[in-house]
Amino acid sequence: SSELTQDPAVSVALGQTVRITCQGDSLRTYYANWYQQKPGQAPVLVIYGKNNRPSGIPDRFSGSSSGNTASLTITGAQAEDEADYYCNSRDSSGTLFGGGTKLTVL
Amino acid sequence: QITLKESGPTLVKPTQTLTLTCTFSGFSLSTSAVGVGWIRQPPGKALEWLALIYWNDDKRYSPSLKSRLTVTKDTSKNQVVLTMTNMDPVDTATYYCAHQSQAYCGGDCWPFDYWGQGTLVTVSS
Repeated sequence: SSELTQDPAVSVALGQTVRITCQGDSLRTYYANWYQQKPGQAPVLVIYGKNNRPSGIPDRFSGSSSGNTASLTITGAQAEDEADYYCNSRDSSGTLFGGGTKLTVL
Repeated sequence: QITLKESGPTLVKPTQTLTLTCTFSGFSLSTSAVGVGWIRQPPGKALEWLALIYWNDDKRYSPSLKSRLTVTKDTSKNQVVLTMTNMDPVDTATYYCAHQSQAYCGGDCWPFDYWGQGTLVTVSS
């Protein structure tokens, strides 16, 4: 069955740039969406499609993709960006979520 | 303004059937290119997609759970109902419903743009 693979954990120094990646066959056909989830809260959409931010999402968040890999980049990470990040895409069955990446801002 | 809210039992016994209701406002499930999905998250673990239902009554299920899931909609009540049979302690999780729209990428991304607050369901005897 299809799946989306993410690194379990990534860290970044305050103010630096970090890239979170997501790999999967479905990404060759469909765009990735990215969600931020903080403890005790529902996920929040931060990037959708090729590289689009919903209203209210800071422009330090951006997305890109190549082949079977999608990436979420945070340029100038802030303390409030510390959270779990999940990728998601459509697939033949419906939709998929990655296993999540825990981002630590040092 | 789109809002969604999950409701249902907080505790179910093993082998019982779970019924969850997602009550929403700010959109209609009779509007083209709109869907509602169910996603769950066991404590400390990742999000897992369960089911989707679309405006045209197309239904999709997670392959690994398909035999246990049923999703239906009541457009007049603005509700989506998920049933999951034969509950097990491993099904203990926060269950979310979320709005999905084709409007963003013409069908190539379908993000979940609005989420309910989630409801924690514990499976225990």
